[in-house]
Amino acid sequence: EPEVTQTPSHQVTQMGQEVILRCVPISNHLYFYWYRQILGQKVEFLVSFYNNEISEKSEIFDDQFSVERPDGSNFTLKIRSTKLEDSAMYFCASSGTPRDEQYFGPGTRLTVT
Amino acid sequence: QKEVEQDPGPLSVPEGAIVSLNCTYSNSAFQYFMWYRQYSRKGPELLMYTYSSGNKEDGRFTAQVDKSSKYISLFIRDSQPSDSATYLCAMTGSTLGRLYFGRGTQLTVWP
Repeated sequence: EPEVTQTPSHQVTQMGQEVILRCVPISNHLYFYWYRQILGQKVEFLVSFYNNEISEKSEIFDDQFSVERPDGSNFTLKIRSTKLEDSAMYFCASSGTPRDEQYFGPGTRLTVT
Repeated sequence: QKEVEQDPGPLSVPEGAIVSLNCTYSNSAFQYFMWYRQYSRKGPELLMYTYSSGNKEDGRFTAQVDKSSKYISLFIRDSQPSDSATYLCAMTGSTLGRLYFGRGTQLTVWP
């Protein structure tokens, strides 16, 4: 059964450092998403991506965040200068169309020290 | 604005019980409704997906949507210890796919 994969499973970084979180969406999906979940809080939308462009972004997704699809399979989230409050689980999701079910990856736990 | 409200529980039931999980929402534009199951420190796993009002059944799970009341439910029949997890409701009305999640309800089914 196809699934979304994410690497690494856990990333520890120092405040101010750049991190890149990687995702491989389901192969025939065209819409890609990043969400995050701070411990004990709701899953929050960050950004959606289609046809090599950002479709929608939330107020959380400020200038320190960027997304890219560098090749036909990977989808990345870059945080340029990490802050303590960026510590969270980051989930990648994909869907065939924006009205279809979204399938989530296992997440990357980001710890900023 | 609190788009989606969900009682976080915890909810503890004996094996075999019928479980009822609920969410309310404020945005009348929401049309697509989902239930996800999440185990600790794992990604949300899709359980049910429904469009607009009505019921949908899949095995032991039944999802109900009442758009007039802005209220959705997930029922689990014959609950099993393996159903112990956090259940998240999610919804969207966006043509771009942005999901709005509830806080999640933590469920424990004890043998």
